[in-house]
Amino acid sequence: EAAVTQSPRNKVAVTGGKVTLSCNQTNNHNNMYWYRQDTGHGLRLIHYSYGAGSTEKGDIPDGYKASRPSQENFSLILELATPSQTSVYFCASGDGGVNQDTQYFGPGTRLLVL
Amino acid sequence: GDSVTQTEGPVTVSESESLIINCTYSATSIAYPNLFWYVRYPGEGLQLLLKVITAGQKGSSRGFEATYNKETTSFHLQKASVQESDSAVYYCALDNNRIFFGDGTQLVVKP
Repeated sequence: EAAVTQSPRNKVAVTGGKVTLSCNQTNNHNNMYWYRQDTGHGLRLIHYSYGAGSTEKGDIPDGYKASRPSQENFSLILELATPSQTSVYFCASGDGGVNQDTQYFGPGTRLLVL
Repeated sequence: GDSVTQTEGPVTVSESESLIINCTYSATSIAYPNLFWYVRYPGEGLQLLLKVITAGQKGSSRGFEATYNKETTSFHLQKASVQESDSAVYYCALDNNRIFFGDGTQLVVKP
């Protein structure tokens, strides 16, 4: 069974609308991450979390919020979606530890903002 | 800052040919970061292919190998004989309190 799942897998949104991307992990990992990937770029870190109730800004947090209500769930929220946020979004969980954080990824969510 | 640079794709090779995807890294706050190769097969999320946490060591998985070279700050991915099923996007990454990914290299293996 997939240990990191994302929903929805595909989403079409309108400019100015609110979008919520959900991620669930059954690895019991403390760390969770949201990345986006665009053509010509590697994965860029948006937000991450060290555990329930914690959210931290990554490299490109502007325009995004994150929520970690539980160990298992980590959401990415676009309050006012813009076309520049059209991308593929990956969630990951990590087994933690300084310099020991192997990450386990979900299948990705394709978001199109019109 | 920390960064990873890898071969720009797509890389196209024929089945049973050898492969090398170059990766070099820069880590400013730690001398010997952990190094990784991740792979993303079509329609799937990234998954760990191999990792090496000790400079000078070699990691291997599914016929792929990568050696952690601290002198040249490189972690090139190699395979002696590729298969069509190896077609995917490969990401080099380093871990320095958080993971930094390269841009990914798309590998296309022709039958």
